[in-house]
Amino acid sequence: KQEVTQIPAALSVPEGENLVLNCSFTDSAIYNLQWFRQDPGKGLTSLLLIQSSQREQTSGRLNASLDKSSGRSTLYIAASQPGDSATYLCAATGAGSYQLTFGKGTKLSVIP
Amino acid sequence: NAGVTQTPKFQVLKTGQSMTLQCAQDMNHNSMYWYRQDPGMGLRLIYYSASEGTTDKGEVPNGYNVSRLNKREFSLRLESAAPSQTSVYFCASSEESTYEQYFGPGTRLTVT
Repeated sequence: KQEVTQIPAALSVPEGENLVLNCSFTDSAIYNLQWFRQDPGKGLTSLLLIQSSQREQTSGRLNASLDKSSGRSTLYIAASQPGDSATYLCAATGAGSYQLTFGKGTKLSVIP
Repeated sequence: NAGVTQTPKFQVLKTGQSMTLQCAQDMNHNSMYWYRQDPGMGLRLIYYSASEGTTDKGEVPNGYNVSRLNKREFSLRLESAAPSQTSVYFCASSEESTYEQYFGPGTRLTVT
């Protein structure tokens, strides 16, 4: 059974700092990996999707990487802003399966 | 283009009452999903539907039933609500080519 882990559970950084959020998964036979953002009391917003054949994806100040062999993905946020404060979730889709397995998230606070 | 919509946004039930959570998507996706999100447990899949007319159990299906009414709509029914079903419920749908999932805003359910 796939397990997805996100460390740390919470992170506080000063505004302007570059930061990395980590995600690890136990079964490397994934179809894709998706990063989401969740604001308090809101739904999930898809940030980046990395297919299993890709190494990274970029959107604005966000860059996500995928290393299937080591079972790891990272989300890099450049020049963090207070508006980036939210919980970030990663989730893996198993090969041959529709099911997303979620990590429990990293709660990010960017201090002005 | 509304994406994924859910009704109601909030609901309070007494133990033993029944209710149906509604979900609709306007992205012409074949696959739809119901998740629940609980503190410390993350998001867990309740049921999913790979196409109109088909449904399958996810990780935590007990106490729930689903109906894929047509391609757009996927409903979740609680026949006899229990306090353990107090949670935030999210509906999602996904593209066929990438399996990227898009989420609705959620329904916050309290069972007393």
